[in-house]
Amino acid sequence: DQQVKQNSPSLSVQEGRISILNCDYTNSMFDYFLWYKKYPAEGPTFLISISSIKDKNEDGRFTVFLNKSAKHLSLHIVPSQPGDSAVYFCAASAMIYNQGGKLIFGQGTELSVKP
Amino acid sequence: KAGVTQTPRYLIKTRGQQVTLSCSPISGHRSVSWYQQTPGQGLQFLFEYFSETQRNKGNFPGRFSGRQFSNSRSEMNVSTLELGDSALYLCASSGRGHEQFFGPGTRLTVL
Repeated sequence: DQQVKQNSPSLSVQEGRISILNCDYTNSMFDYFLWYKKYPAEGPTFLISISSIKDKNEDGRFTVFLNKSAKHLSLHIVPSQPGDSAVYFCAASAMIYNQGGKLIFGQGTELSVKP
Repeated sequence: KAGVTQTPRYLIKTRGQQVTLSCSPISGHRSVSWYQQTPGQGLQFLFEYFSETQRNKGNFPGRFSGRQFSNSRSEMNVSTLELGDSALYLCASSGRGHEQFFGPGTRLTVL
């Protein structure tokens, strides 16, 4: 039972354009969502997060949108740069149930930004 | 602040052996979580420790265990290694905020 799903294994975008990465979840207990960027054989790097009481959070070129009714979140990267090429994971946790230390990850989307 | 450190970075063991991995969290962080990453299963939660107590546990067999010390450093142990335990083991720490910050991982190969 995969509670967090990233249905696109890969995404290719031109430099300077917008990258949109999508994530769906099934567990209504999730109340905190995070995006991580990962290179092979390295640990994930935290990018941005959002609480379920918000529908948008922005940090520089990164914006995360949350649609609770659809159980869907997305990460927008504008403008995309070649250095953004990596695997992106979305993750969810149920803070209200004291499970903030337990992240449930999606399968990842490999983003390739072409010059 | 120094980031999360994990030792060793690489490890080769044979089936049936046991292994201990170490994690030092970011200074001041009291929560340490462990994850296993494999090509087939992705990133899966193993367990979380907070103030020397296991606070959350994932769906892994009892061969996987962990502990946390008073200085928040954590170790995880895998006994009776199987070929399927070959993976990247990641440790993450978090403080007052909800974000987890990951170490570089330990690559375990079981032969």
